[in-house]
Amino acid sequence: AQKITQTQPGMFVQEKEAVTLDCTYDTSDPSYGLFWYKQPSSGEMIFLIYQGSYDQQNATEGRYSLNFQKARKSANLVISASQLGDSAMYFCAMREVVDNAGGTSYGKLTFGQGTILTVHP
Amino acid sequence: DSGVTQTPKHLITATGQRVTLRCSPRSGDLSVYWYQQSLDQGLQFLIQYYNGEERAKGNILERFSAQQFPDLHSELNLSSLELGDSALYFCASSVSGTPSWREKLFFGSGTQLSVL
Repeated sequence: AQKITQTQPGMFVQEKEAVTLDCTYDTSDPSYGLFWYKQPSSGEMIFLIYQGSYDQQNATEGRYSLNFQKARKSANLVISASQLGDSAMYFCAMREVVDNAGGTSYGKLTFGQGTILTVHP
Repeated sequence: DSGVTQTPKHLITATGQRVTLRCSPRSGDLSVYWYQQSLDQGLQFLIQYYNGEERAKGNILERFSAQQFPDLHSELNLSSLELGDSALYFCASSVSGTPSWREKLFFGSGTQLSVL
């Protein structure tokens, strides 16, 4: 089973509108972190936002917020007031303590397949 | 700027050759992770080093090897290159190597490897 699933290969949004990028995850570990990264066409991976499994409140970083629904195992990224510069690939990732084999994962990130976001003027 | 430096940015080579990718982590970071990004496999974890020692291995081929030096920079060596090794190779760093789910990984800009 996929650990991280991003079901939207591509999304379109009008400039200044809000957009939600979906992410669901699968883990039996009670302690985990969820991350979103942005990859523009230039290729670099830019950290956007983080949510810990024990965090009571949804994370926010400027125009980015994470809609964390633990029971549903979803961690959707919400971008408010989209800008043309938001056009990029967005990756959801998870960091666990224990991997599937019962060993320690030593903090590696497992990534989803990504969602390409296009912001129209 | 993430503070993680990768060189070179682009590398073009032929099948059968060997290349070395270099990564300097952020100041103070002890862990280095290598990831491979390809169109068909997505982002795949290759290997992690912490303070000079290998900590975790992912989907790394036997033709690939890595090491972390005393100054904490890391090198990823790819040998007997095949067409399918063409990918974007990322290095990331974090402060510790312990399984802290709270720690962020900061990525370099990547090395685009093209095997012709």
